[in-house]
Amino acid sequence: AQSVTQLDSHVSVSEGTPVLLRCNYSSSYSPSLFWYVQHPNKGLQLLLKYTSAATLVKGINGFEAEFKKSETSFHLTKPSAHMSDAAEYFCVVSDMDAGNMLTFGGGTRLMVKP
Amino acid sequence: DGGITQSPKYLFRKEGQNVTLSCEQNLNHDAMYWYRQDPGQGLRLIYYSQIVNDFQKGDIAEGYSVSREKKESFPLTVTSAQKNPTAFYLCASSALGTSIYNSPLHFGNGTRLTVT
Repeated sequence: AQSVTQLDSHVSVSEGTPVLLRCNYSSSYSPSLFWYVQHPNKGLQLLLKYTSAATLVKGINGFEAEFKKSETSFHLTKPSAHMSDAAEYFCVVSDMDAGNMLTFGGGTRLMVKP
Repeated sequence: DGGITQSPKYLFRKEGQNVTLSCEQNLNHDAMYWYRQDPGQGLRLIYYSQIVNDFQKGDIAEGYSVSREKKESFPLTVTSAQKNPTAFYLCASSALGTSIYNSPLHFGNGTRLTVT
């Protein structure tokens, strides 16, 4: 069975400092992994996805994530936070053993201080 | 512009009433999904459909019903049997191809349902 754990429910950073949002997954097969962002009262938008190609994945808005199979992690990073990055972020896993359905993490709320 | 339209944005109903949430997409996607979002719980799958006139239950289908009469439309009915219907409901779609397990979802902007 697949599962995903976002290790922090809230992360607070100052504008201009690095962002790290942590995600660990469990999967029977080679998984696909995604990060989505959700701004208040909006739908989710895809930031980036990993699908067994390069382990370092670059996404939109300067975000990137590194797939580490040995650590079963897929942490999201950004070198310098902007105020507009304040939102909720979801790590998502999918594998064929789960019938291609997605499993969402509980979300991490990112707060950016001026 | 292609996308997913959910309506209405806010919906208020009295307990015991059925209510239908609309979801329309013009992305020509085969698959459509309904998720429920509660604070701190991430998204939970209610129903999904991969083809017209066919749909499957997700993890929390009890108290909900759907139909898929057209490729573009996937309405969700929240029935009076749903014990805790107040939530934020998100509709999504995805393209299906040879690698369906890595097709990203496209989301609508959600409907916030409040039942009192």
